Amino acid sequence: EDKVVQSPLSLVVHEGDTVTLNCSYEVTNFRSLLWYKQEKKAPTFLFMLTSSGIEKKSGRLSSILDKKELFSILNITATQTGDSAVYLCAVENQAGTALIFGKGTTLSVSS
Amino acid sequence: GAGVSQSPSNKVTEKGKDVELRCDPISGHTALYWYRQSLGQGLEFLIYFQGNSAPDKSGLPSDRFSAERTGESVSTLTIQRTQQEDSAVYLCASSLRGRELFFGEGSRLTVL
Repeated sequence: EDKVVQSPLSLVVHEGDTVTLNCSYEVTNFRSLLWYKQEKKAPTFLFMLTSSGIEKKSGRLSSILDKKELFSILNITATQTGDSAVYLCAVENQAGTALIFGKGTTLSVSS
Repeated sequence: GAGVSQSPSNKVTEKGKDVELRCDPISGHTALYWYRQSLGQGLEFLIYFQGNSAPDKSGLPSDRFSAERTGESVSTLTIQRTQQEDSAVYLCASSLRGRELFFGEGSRLTVL
């Protein structure tokens, strides 16, 4: 059964800290791994990763995939209160059917 | 439209009633997904439509749940004889095949 496990489930940090969120997965015929940020209702897309070892960056956020060890990390440097959200990891199989989501990591950044 | 549109945004119903939730995907997106998110939980896959192919219904939790989509346009998720455990946020997403999903704001269902 395909599954995605995220850790930690929740995290509280101070502004300026750097955080690393983890996502491990098991999926039949892996195609891609995606990260989403969910602040209120609609998750918004952050990254799509398909190849091992290639870091994707967007401002203070970056992510990398390890297809051998079946995990990905999402790094956020110099955190801000606006980074407070639930971060969701999802994987897609080659059949291209539905994404399988993890339960998310709830990040709280205090000022 | 510019984004995925869902309605209603909030729905309160009595146990045993039927509800319909609507999703209007981004124009041109061939794939449409329904997910359910209960409090503190991740997104639970319900059903997936891709073009004119048969939908993947493997995530529907019971036969009280059904969904339809006409072509590559609007989709309706129907829950019959609602139960309290059906209370959740129902999220719809659409995408071009092989690309990232774009989510709607969700429909919050409360079953009393």
